[in-house]
Amino acid sequence: GDSVTQMEGPVTLSEEAFLTINCTYTATGYPSLFWYVQYPGEGLQLLLKATKADDKGSNKGFEATYRKETTSFHLEKGSVQVSDSAVYFCAYSPLTGGFKTIFGAGTRLFVKA
Amino acid sequence: KAGVTQTPRYLIKTRGQQVTLSCSPISGHRSVSWYQQTPGQGLQFLFEYFSETQRNKGNFPGRFSGRQFSNSRSEMNVSTLELGDSALYLCASSLIGGQNTGELFFGEGSRLTVL
Repeated sequence: GDSVTQMEGPVTLSEEAFLTINCTYTATGYPSLFWYVQYPGEGLQLLLKATKADDKGSNKGFEATYRKETTSFHLEKGSVQVSDSAVYFCAYSPLTGGFKTIFGAGTRLFVKA
Repeated sequence: KAGVTQTPRYLIKTRGQQVTLSCSPISGHRSVSWYQQTPGQGLQFLFEYFSETQRNKGNFPGRFSGRQFSNSRSEMNVSTLELGDSALYLCASSLIGGQNTGELFFGEGSRLTVL
């Protein structure tokens, strides 16, 4: 069935380190892909998205490229900050047959000063 | 523009009771989805409503139900509460139509503790 797999956390990095969080999906059709972020005590908010193959989503220094051939949407940031500490969720939405967004398990990121 | 509003933010119930959670979507958003978030299971899809109709339902027992009103506000109800129902319940709204991008806008959640 449809699913999203993302790397397990927690991930602990020092400030200014490079971040990669892997995400792969299993889906039929051509889903839109998303990264959501959840800061402590808050709901989720959209970080970036891509709606078709080879699209690159970007926001706040984070980037992810929709790779249809490898069914992946890895999140990257060149230099993390302490304020990036949060839980990151990879997700996809098929946009057909009604609305249902499937989320990965989430990856907790800790950034040390 | 006001965001998604969920009430109550926190509540404590005992086993066997029932609970009703409320969600007011962003103005103009007609789709409302509900998710259960727990440390062990992550984000689990409960159901999605559009124009007062349930269009999708996740794998939860019949104790979990919901509805949507004509103003797009939504409620979910959990009857005969169990300890395992303790979780953060998140509501998300989205725009349906030509501008639909699949993006969900989340509320801050209702944290339910069952004792």
